[in-house]
Amino acid sequence: NAGVTQTPKFQVLKTGQSMTLQCAQDMNHEYMSWYRQDPGMGLRLIHYSVGAGITDQGEVPNGYNVSRSTTEDFPLRLLSAAPSQTSVYFCASTLGPVRTEAFFGQGTRLTVV
Amino acid sequence: SQQGEEDPQALSIQEGENATMNCSYKTSINNLQWYRQNSGRGLVHLILIRSNEREKHSGRLRVTLDTSKKSSSLLITASRAADTASYFCATDANTGNQFYFGTGTSLTVIP
Repeated sequence: NAGVTQTPKFQVLKTGQSMTLQCAQDMNHEYMSWYRQDPGMGLRLIHYSVGAGITDQGEVPNGYNVSRSTTEDFPLRLLSAAPSQTSVYFCASTLGPVRTEAFFGQGTRLTVV
Repeated sequence: SQQGEEDPQALSIQEGENATMNCSYKTSINNLQWYRQNSGRGLVHLILIRSNEREKHSGRLRVTLDTSKKSSSLLITASRAADTASYFCATDANTGNQFYFGTGTSLTVIP
């Protein structure tokens, strides 16, 4: 199994550009989520989904959109990139509610200039 | 915020020594998990302890949970250079579907 796959691994954007970070899992997990990791801040939840067609906001959702059309995929869209969105982004999936372990992708390092 | 805090922020020990790191959180939980992150990589699950458990072991890992103090500790015994990583605690809330991660402890094990 590939687990959780994120693409791209690195990305540089100019302020105002938009892009989509891809996340796919092959474990048939219902729950998927996106985090950003900044120095000294730990991981902060951006958006999450408890199943296909269902999404909800986390702690820091502004500037990001998500959709969940299939169980496998959970893309994260940056609508108009800002330097404050420079961060490392992680996608994670869990089999069920957060009472079980999460599986993480390898991360996308995004720089907005 | 539910976010936990790990203590210390950084820890440096000699190979073979034990490493202890602590996590404090703010509200009631169903379970608490510990994750490891090697530099430049994603997080890897280490161990989960439920709110009705007080101690749990997995190999060289020992986790304790004190719900009255809203705190947990992770002990790594007989540390190895390969244990060098950042360690995070993660909690859920009694309601909701979210993990809340702490700020992490950076562990360096010197060969």
